[in-house]
Amino acid sequence: QLHLQESGPRLVKPSETLSLTCTVSGGSINDYYWTWLRQPPGEGLEWIGYIFPSTDANYNPSLKSRVTISVDMSKNQFSLNLISVTPADTAVYYCARGEYGSAIDWGQGTLVTVSP
Amino acid sequence: DIQMTQSPSSLSASVGDRVTITCQASQDISNNLNWYQQRPGKAPKLLVYDASSLQTGVPSRFSGRGSGTDFTFTIDSLRPEDVAIYYCQQYHDLLTFGPGTRVDLK
Repeated sequence: QLHLQESGPRLVKPSETLSLTCTVSGGSINDYYWTWLRQPPGEGLEWIGYIFPSTDANYNPSLKSRVTISVDMSKNQFSLNLISVTPADTAVYYCARGEYGSAIDWGQGTLVTVSP
Repeated sequence: DIQMTQSPSSLSASVGDRVTITCQASQDISNNLNWYQQRPGKAPKLLVYDASSLQTGVPSRFSGRGSGTDFTFTIDSLRPEDVAIYYCQQYHDLLTFGPGTRVDLK
């Protein structure tokens, strides 16, 4: 049974970088698409981007200039970096495993607050 | 960018009712559409992929249909555990979610 767990700081200051890691257990990270999504409090879902190992990542155009997603196959982890954050980036951040275009297995999500 | 709209934004129905949600894409997306269920306080769950294929383990009272720009999602006989927000999501060009439809019990 595949399990995904997000980890990283829960509080980030404006203008700083939000960094999250998703640890994958119960399966190899070598296959599948690995995706980050987010959901501001009380709002809908937003796709941030995905990566397939050994290929380039694809990003939401609205976030592309600030986002990097990477994979560390030796640790079975993938990561999200979002630079120059503002309070509008406050959200529950989810990592997910998927086939092309779909998010099938999700982490529980982690609330990241951007505040001074 | 492909925009997704859903209607209604919310609905109330009784146990046993048939519930239908519509999703419209701003351009032709073929059958590149998924439906997700998000129960309160939980991560979303993929229910339907490729517009009409049921994900493994999903009850058969859930179904999806459509292609091109117009899609529907149906719950044949609403159960209390179906109270949730339902999202459509296209993957024809990157990924975009619809705004969601909240389903409550009457």
